[in-house]
Amino acid sequence: EDKVVQSPLSLVVHEGDTVTLNCSYEVTNFRSLLWYKQEKKAPTFLFMLTSSGIEKKSGRLSSILDKKELFSILNITATQTGDSAVYLCAVELNQAGTALIFGKGTTLSVSS
Amino acid sequence: NAGVTQTPKFRVLKTGQSMTLLCAQDMNHEYMYWYRQDPGMGLRLIHYSVGEGTTAKGEVPDGYNVSRLKKQNFLLGLESAAPSQTSVYFCASSDGGAGDEKLFFGSGTQLSVL
Repeated sequence: EDKVVQSPLSLVVHEGDTVTLNCSYEVTNFRSLLWYKQEKKAPTFLFMLTSSGIEKKSGRLSSILDKKELFSILNITATQTGDSAVYLCAVELNQAGTALIFGKGTTLSVSS
Repeated sequence: NAGVTQTPKFRVLKTGQSMTLLCAQDMNHEYMYWYRQDPGMGLRLIHYSVGEGTTAKGEVPDGYNVSRLKKQNFLLGLESAAPSQTSVYFCASSDGGAGDEKLFFGSGTQLSVL
């Protein structure tokens, strides 16, 4: 059975801290891994990763994929209260039309 | 530029009542999906469609039915609502292409079943 596991499930940090969110997967026929941010409404797209070792970066957020060890990490540096959200990891299979497989998400709370 | 539109945004039902959630997309996408989201559970796939006139079951299909009579619309029906169906429902669409952003989400429907 295909599955995506995120850890930790929740995390509380202070503003300015750096956090690392983890996503591991066991799927057949992997195509890509995606990260989303969700703030009480629809998820918004952050990154898509397909190749090992190539970092994707956007401002204070960055992510990398390890296809050998089957995991990805999402780093957030110098956290701000606006980073408080649920971060979802999803895996896309290499099969047309199949839905993304989501993990349960990591709830990040950043206190001021 | 509407994207994916879900109606209604909120609904309260009594146990046993029926209702239909409507999802409409204006991007000419082939693939459409219905997910439900419960606290601490991520997004779980209910049903999906790979084209007009086709539907398939996802991870949690029991108690739901769907129809895709027109390419732009994907309907989710609850024939006899149960409290366990209290959830936030998201519709999404995709063109299955090579672009980074795989799914385009609607804004969600908050459903409470009393």
